[in-house]
Amino acid sequence: DIVMTQSPLSLPVTPGEPASISCRSSQSLLHNNGYNYLNWYLQKPGQSPQLLIYLGFTRASGVPDRFSGSGSGTDFTLKISRVEAEDVGVYFCMQALQSFTFGPGTKVEIK
Amino acid sequence: EVQLVESGGGLVQPGRSLTLSCAASGFTFNDYAMHWVRQAPGKDLEWVSGISWNSGNIGYADSVKGRFTISRDNAGNSLFLQMNSLKTEDTAFYYCARGDAGSYLGDNWFDPWGQGTLVTVSS
Repeated sequence: DIVMTQSPLSLPVTPGEPASISCRSSQSLLHNNGYNYLNWYLQKPGQSPQLLIYLGFTRASGVPDRFSGSGSGTDFTLKISRVEAEDVGVYFCMQALQSFTFGPGTKVEIK
Repeated sequence: EVQLVESGGGLVQPGRSLTLSCAASGFTFNDYAMHWVRQAPGKDLEWVSGISWNSGNIGYADSVKGRFTISRDNAGNSLFLQMNSLKTEDTAFYYCARGDAGSYLGDNWFDPWGQGTLVTVSS
């Protein structure tokens, strides 16, 4: 199984400031079609996970452009250019190259 | 609006059975693979099972293989998860989620997810 790890697991943020979350996989997620099978989700308090980024860097429909995904192979990053209060919650990465596994989540909260 | 609504959760004793349902609306249900994902307290999200658009391909996590059965009713726009021989470690919120392709083997992401239904296995 592909194991996903994230850091940090807790991230206090200041509104208006940038934030960054790292996700690493135990095996490369780069498919021979050139895409990385890595997705990012946000689970807001009391809600189900919502898709933010798929295939490493593509924003899902309706996701603000302050969110961006980057990376390749085994190392990936989710960046929020300017955090807003509505961005609090738990961020998960998920791999879809071999079955489906998730990272442990990074809890983002306002300082 | 694309919507998934789970139901059927509750408190059940170890060893007993429970069936979850997921009602889909707002999209052509039989165009997509569907999945169940669970979230146990204090644990990572775990993919449980997936089923292709025509039920031709089905898969399970090792932790539930032989005990859980996924199925779908395309005419009724519904997804099901029959859970037998339940264990305390099956306690979790169970979410249904839509894949992005017709075959669950080809799915790259899950979107959207339902609101979840809580299954508690306890004596």
